[in-house]
Amino acid sequence: QVQLVESGGGVVQPGRSLRLSCAASGFTFSRYAMHWVRQAPGKGLEWVAVISYDGTYKYYTDSVKGRFTISRDNSENTVYLQVNSLRAEDTAVYYCAITGTTYYFDYWGQGSLVTVSP
Amino acid sequence: QSALTQPASVSGSPGQSITISCTGTSSDVGYYNSVSWYQQHPGKAPKVMIYDVVNRPSGVSTRFSGSKSGNTASLTISGLQAEDEADYYCTSFTGSDTLPYVFGTGTKVTVL
Repeated sequence: QVQLVESGGGVVQPGRSLRLSCAASGFTFSRYAMHWVRQAPGKGLEWVAVISYDGTYKYYTDSVKGRFTISRDNSENTVYLQVNSLRAEDTAVYYCAITGTTYYFDYWGQGSLVTVSP
Repeated sequence: QSALTQPASVSGSPGQSITISCTGTSSDVGYYNSVSWYQQHPGKAPKVMIYDVVNRPSGVSTRFSGSKSGNTASLTISGLQAEDEADYYCTSFTGSDTLPYVFGTGTKVTVL
């Protein structure tokens, strides 16, 4: 069965960096676009970034452009989110998710909490 | 591009039907038949309940149904059960490179 397992979250000071990882299994990872979606405490879902199946295309929401970088390693079935210059408003649970043959999020990981605090 | 608009809360008694609306624009909900709905219980990851406006993934109860009219999509839960108490989010594909998916503001469903 499809599994997505995020890791790498934690408490970090403003301005610092983290790298989130999402290990995938149970499907042919190299065929699917991968996304990061975040949810601030008590708030709604916010799409953050997407990477195409082969890593050619990457898109970001405006608030993270220039600070976050999405990447993937198809040999390791893993997608990453490098988060730099963190701000308090980046505090959230970060989920990885896949979109399959159509435009919806088929599967989600359990999430990784990033807390930005002095 | 703004978030899709959902009511903050909807409630109903067991066995009743409720409907959650999701209002967007002619650039997202009104243009694409790519509206999906997600159920999220506290502390859990979202789970897709409806995709492409009306389709149910395998394993999702037939009590959940979706529809769309113009710029507004809707999720109906029939025969409301205690386990349906959760947050629900809609999302729409937008075709935009900078924000290909926009989420709704979320609706808390309470089973009275």
